[in-house]
Amino acid sequence: DMKVTQMPRYLIKRMGENVLLECGQDMSHETMYWYRQDPGLGLQLIYISYDVDSNSEGDIPKGYRVSRKKREHFSLILDSAKTNQTSVYFCASSLSGFAEQFFGPGTRLTVL
Amino acid sequence: QQQVRQSPQSLTVWEGETAILNCSYEDSTFDYFPWYHQFPGESPALLIAIRPVSNKKEDGRFTIFFNKREKKFSLHIADSQPGDSATYFCAARPGYQNFYFGKGTSLTVIP
Repeated sequence: DMKVTQMPRYLIKRMGENVLLECGQDMSHETMYWYRQDPGLGLQLIYISYDVDSNSEGDIPKGYRVSRKKREHFSLILDSAKTNQTSVYFCASSLSGFAEQFFGPGTRLTVL
Repeated sequence: QQQVRQSPQSLTVWEGETAILNCSYEDSTFDYFPWYHQFPGESPALLIAIRPVSNKKEDGRFTIFFNKREKKFSLHIADSQPGDSATYFCAARPGYQNFYFGKGTSLTVIP
């Protein structure tokens, strides 16, 4: 069953704490993405990864970093989380940069 | 600069009517135009997509109309059903690049 998984699904952190969001896919997709979704703003691209250790900034990379050491796994890291990083984070993957994206179920992050 | 503009922000139609959702884009290099829908608490999922080689794409009750000259594309949902109530996002992509998403249209279909 092809799918994109995200862990955790819900997370509450205090301002200044570090946050690790994990994404996995079992489809051997080359390209993976991290988005955040806020009401009225749609989906905003944070980072895109074209393959292992081949990552590029998206539209809103400030305050975030990523790690991709295995093709099937893509992590989003918030060093010293801020309250304005409260959002729903979606991971997605695609076979290549030309192909369609499949989204994970999302992680709802609250930073207090 | 917003690459993809979507309207209206919200739309309410009666069951059986045709819902029309609109998008426009800036960059003429965009060559792939998908529509996603998202139900509350769920993730976005691809609904239908079009490439500019054609000006119309149909899939059941869902149709994309594409106007390359005016850089506009729209999603028509015929015979709208209450189960179609969701948020719809248009997107555009220039070749081997990132997607640019519209801000979404919240559709409500009243029985």
